Amino acid sequence: DGGITQSPKYLFRKEGQNVTLSCEQNLNHDAMYWYRQDPGQGLRLIYYSQIVNDFQKGDIAEGYSVSREKKESFPLTVTSAQKNPTAFYLCASSYRDGANVLTFGAGSRLTVL
Amino acid sequence: KQEVTQIPAALSVPEGENLVLNCSFTDSAIYNLQWFRQDPGKGLTSLLLIQSSQREQTSGRLNASLDKSSGRSTLYIAASQPGDSATYLCASRMDSSYKLIFGSGTRLLVRP
Repeated sequence: DGGITQSPKYLFRKEGQNVTLSCEQNLNHDAMYWYRQDPGQGLRLIYYSQIVNDFQKGDIAEGYSVSREKKESFPLTVTSAQKNPTAFYLCASSYRDGANVLTFGAGSRLTVL
Repeated sequence: KQEVTQIPAALSVPEGENLVLNCSFTDSAIYNLQWFRQDPGKGLTSLLLIQSSQREQTSGRLNASLDKSSGRSTLYIAASQPGDSATYLCASRMDSSYKLIFGSGTRLLVRP
C-alpha cells in the first residue's frame, strides 16, 4: 500500500544533541513537507521541498535542517540550536498540481529530557 | 499575513445530531481550503478540499462550504456518530507555493 512512513514514532533526546527524524513516501509525490504541532495549536510549517535537491524554509525553520537527495525521502534534523524542540512532528507529501491534497504520516513525538 | 481561526476549540454533542464546524480566515485571496481530521496521537487525514472557484464539496455525511467574501468555511456533519470524535482542522492555501496555513482545530466529541 502507498503511504508515508515516519520513524521513530517516539524519540527522547538530551539537551545539546542533534536528532534526525525519517520520512519516506512511496506515493510518487513531488512535494514533501515538515510540520510541527504543539498541544492545542495548529500545524506550523518548518520546511518544504517541491523537487529533489531543492527545499525552502517555512515559518519556523530556525534550529532545523533538511535534505532532499531522493524523491522518496525528506529527513528532518532537529539541532541543538532549536530552543524548544519538544513537539509532535508531522511529515506530508503531495503532487505538484493545483489540488495539492496533502497525505500525512503518522507523526513522530520528540521529547527533550 | 493570513490567519486561520477555528471556534469553538471543543464541542460535545449527542449521537445523531447534525453539527457545523467553523473556520474563518483573514485574507480572502485563497487558492483553496482543506478540511482534515486528526485522531489522538495520529497524523492528519484529508476530508475535503474546496478550490477558490467552488462553493462547496460533499463526501458522504460531510459537506464543506466556502464563502470567500466573508472569509468563512464550514464543515457540516450529518447524523453524527461516536466514530466522528476527533479533532478537525482547516487549512488555507494562498498561492502556488504549496504552503498551507492551519487553524488550531476543533476537538469534537460525539456522545453515544
